[in-house]
Amino acid sequence: QVTLKESGPALVKPTQTLTLTCTFSGFSLSTSGMRVSWIRQPPGKALEWLARIDWDDDKFYSTSLKTRLTISKDTSKNQVVLTMTNMDPVDTATYYCARTRYDILTGYSVFYFDYWGQGTLVTVSS
Amino acid sequence: QSALTQPASVSGSPGQSITISCTGTSSDVGGYNYVSWYQRHPGKAPKLMIFDVINRPSGVSNRFSGSKSGNTASLTISGLQAEDEADYYCSSYTGSSTLDVVFGGGTKLTVL
Repeated sequence: QVTLKESGPALVKPTQTLTLTCTFSGFSLSTSGMRVSWIRQPPGKALEWLARIDWDDDKFYSTSLKTRLTISKDTSKNQVVLTMTNMDPVDTATYYCARTRYDILTGYSVFYFDYWGQGTLVTVSS
Repeated sequence: QSALTQPASVSGSPGQSITISCTGTSSDVGGYNYVSWYQRHPGKAPKLMIFDVINRPSGVSNRFSGSKSGNTASLTISGLQAEDEADYYCSSYTGSSTLDVVFGGGTKLTVL
């Protein structure tokens, strides 16, 4: 059974750095083809893809946010960590982590998320 | 990359069918057969309902079906049930170098 769970501060101040942790079970990020992404949803707005880390430690970032984001993994702990610098009230959102895959058999990426966490609400306010 | 366009809300009575649309552009929905749909109940993790436009993951009811025409994808739920009441989100590959996706704003389904 695959599960993911996000954790981190519920409240951060403007200009601070946000650190979120995604702890997962039921799969390993050392397994070829596994990928974990971070996605957020500001209140009343659309979901927005933020970043992804792959089993081989390749990392990808949203073009609009790449200067502020860092994604990393700790395979031994089954965790993926996202840091976002210089937080602003517009970054107030529910942050999700979700699993996606690269299909080793076909050699193609899949463009959907088969498992998600419940999300964690982060409010940016002084 | 702009968000995909979904109606804010749809409603239907038990047993009826409803369709939720998801409109993008030729650079996303219209350009690739990589549209997916997610169901989210309040406080719960989003659940994958449809992937690659028409495919259902194992365990998802066959009352859920997907389709696409041009730049618009659709999710149809037949035989509406009370437990179908949830938010639904579409997503599409954007063809970008980062292999990322764009999402819709979400549609609130109310079962009357």
